[in-house]
Amino acid sequence: DAKTTQPTSMDCAEGRAANLPCNHSTISGNEYVYWYRQIHSQGPQYIIHGLKNNETNEMASLIITEDRKSSTLILPHATLRDTAVYYCIVRVPYGGSQGNLIFGKGTKLSVKP
Amino acid sequence: DVKVTQSSRYLVKRTGEKVFLECVQDMDHENMFWYRQDPGLGLRLIYFSYDVKMKEKGDIPEGYSVSREKKERFSLILESASTNQTSMYLCASSLGGLYNEQFFGPGTRLTVL
Repeated sequence: DAKTTQPTSMDCAEGRAANLPCNHSTISGNEYVYWYRQIHSQGPQYIIHGLKNNETNEMASLIITEDRKSSTLILPHATLRDTAVYYCIVRVPYGGSQGNLIFGKGTKLSVKP
Repeated sequence: DVKVTQSSRYLVKRTGEKVFLECVQDMDHENMFWYRQDPGLGLRLIYFSYDVKMKEKGDIPEGYSVSREKKERFSLILESASTNQTSMYLCASSLGGLYNEQFFGPGTRLTVL
C-alpha cells in the first residue's frame, strides 16, 4: 500500500502557483520523498525528490516539513500543460524491492485558463 | 535524453492468445520494470529486473512472465491472455544505485476480447 495521502483533486488558475500537499506521517529516517506526474495518455514523469532539505529544480520546488511528516510540491507558474495526476511517493534510495516505487491514487491537478 | 520505447501503443488480442509486449531503453540502465495501470487502482508492479537474465516478482505477477536476454530489452509475456488483463501496460527503466529515478515509456493499451 502507498504510504502517502494526497487530495484527490485540485484546481489552479493558469499563471498562479500550484501547491500540492502530501502527508507521509509514517516516513522512516532513510526514506526519500519523490514526486512524479502523469499527463493523460503518457507514462509517468519524474519531477523531483528530497530527504529533509527543500529542493528546487527547473520544474518545481519541494518543501518538506521539519518533522518530515508532510511535504508540498510547488509549481511556481502553472500552465495548462501542467494539468496531470501528481504522485507523491516515499521510498528508500537504493535498489532491490525495498526501493521500488509504490504509486497511490495521486492528485489530479486541473490548471484552468 | 533517456528514451524508453514500447513496441505498440494499442494492441487488441483474443482470449487465450499468447501476447508479447516489448520494451527497449537506450541509456544502458540496469533496472527495468513492468507495471499495469487500471482506473481506481493506480500503477501496480508486475515484474522487475535488476540485471540481464534476472527477474523478480512484483505485486501482481500472476498470469505474466518476463524475459531479459539483453540489457536494453525487457519483455512481458501473457501466456494465455484473459479479459481481466485488459489494461494499460507501462515499462520503466532506471540506473542502479541510489536515487534511481525511473523513466517511463508511453504505455501499451492492451484490449483482450
